[in-house]
Amino acid sequence: DQQVKQNSPSLSVQEGRISILNCDYTNSMFDYFLWYKKYPAEGPTFLISISSIKDKNEDGRFTVFLNKSAKHLSLHIVPSQPGDSAVYFCAASADSGGSNYKLTFGKGTLLTVNP
Amino acid sequence: DSGVTQTPKHLITATGQRVTLRCSPRSGDLSVYWYQQSLDQGLQFLIQYYNGEERAKGNILERFSAQQFPDLHSELNLSSLELGDSALYFCASSLYPGLAGVSSYNEQFFGPGTRLTVL
Repeated sequence: DQQVKQNSPSLSVQEGRISILNCDYTNSMFDYFLWYKKYPAEGPTFLISISSIKDKNEDGRFTVFLNKSAKHLSLHIVPSQPGDSAVYFCAASADSGGSNYKLTFGKGTLLTVNP
Repeated sequence: DSGVTQTPKHLITATGQRVTLRCSPRSGDLSVYWYQQSLDQGLQFLIQYYNGEERAKGNILERFSAQQFPDLHSELNLSSLELGDSALYFCASSLYPGLAGVSSYNEQFFGPGTRLTVL
């Protein structure tokens, strides 16, 4: 049962345009959401996060939007740059009691930004 | 550089063998998480330790075990290895795994991974 879904395995965008990566989740207990970027042969790198009490969080070129009623979040990258080409993972976390905050990841979306 | 180190970077071994993967968290981080990334799967959570104690278990096989030592480094032990255990194994660490009932400050910082190949 996949609780975090990234339905687009890949996305191709022109440099300078907007990249929109989408993520859906099924577990209503999730209260914190994160995006990670991963280059080949490296570990995932934390990009941006959002708490369930917000609907938007912005950090430079990156903005994450959360629609709780739709159980949907998206990552916007504006403007997209060739260096943004990587696999992007959506992840979610829930307070399972104590100090247990494992991340549940989607399968990732490969973003390619063409010059 | 995330500040999380993992050794070794690559490991090639045979079926039936046992290996140990090592992780040093970022300075000051109390929580360590282990994840497995197989070819056709995303990152799968295996196990979490917080300040030396096991806190959560995910899809971890009984042939696998882990521990976190007093200096906070962690080891993941994989035994009776099978071909299907070939994967990337990532360690991550975080400072405060949740605060005030909301999973704040749960940004986990990942190491570069250990690529395990079982032949």
